[in-house]
Amino acid sequence: GAVVSQHPSRVICKSGTSVKIECRSLDFQATTMFWYRQFPKQSLMLMATSNEGSKATYEQGVEKDKFLINHASLTLSTLTVTSAHPEDSSFYICSAQAPANYGYTFGSGTRLTVV
Amino acid sequence: QKEVEQNSGPLSVPEGAIASLNCTYSDRGSQSFFWYRQYSGKSPELIMFIYSNGDKEDGRFTAQLNKASQYVSLLIRDSQPSDSATYLCAGNPSKIQGAQKLVFGQGTRLTINP
Repeated sequence: GAVVSQHPSRVICKSGTSVKIECRSLDFQATTMFWYRQFPKQSLMLMATSNEGSKATYEQGVEKDKFLINHASLTLSTLTVTSAHPEDSSFYICSAQAPANYGYTFGSGTRLTVV
Repeated sequence: QKEVEQNSGPLSVPEGAIASLNCTYSDRGSQSFFWYRQYSGKSPELIMFIYSNGDKEDGRFTAQLNKASQYVSLLIRDSQPSDSATYLCAGNPSKIQGAQKLVFGQGTRLTINP
């Protein structure tokens, strides 16, 4: 149980375009999901907390207009990287707090490359 | 001071030995701590979590929490080459709308030598 599905796993896009990443909780409801970014050989950095039915909470230094988060249902959160630039190339991972004793479950991650 | 700190390593341990991974945290309000394993190019997978002082064992893994010293550790017994990965320690120093966000340490890269 407590599976989080993330798509796509890998995407290459051109500079200036937008990319949408989906995160779904498959067998539980997640009122809150978390979006992380990880650069090579670095740890996970929390970008924002996605709240079902309300606005996301962004961490300091994260541009909310660039990283649009939508959490329209109890099982789906999306992250849209708008006007992507090469420096946005990274590994993006979503997470949700699963029911008791499952801790926090992560999606499989999305490798974004902006060319 | 970072909220969660780990020695980035690399830590090298011979096969069959005990690997010891350490983590300290700065926020005394942190309630739970998590150890994740991350293979290169993959997302983290949960090994275990701990919220009470003392030891918690699960198979070859033992997590230890000392709230007075603000110290968390993970012991891996009978280390196997497949244990070679980056191990991430995480704590939850704040609470937002009923869900607690996690803050990660920088990770310790562990290599088990056959």
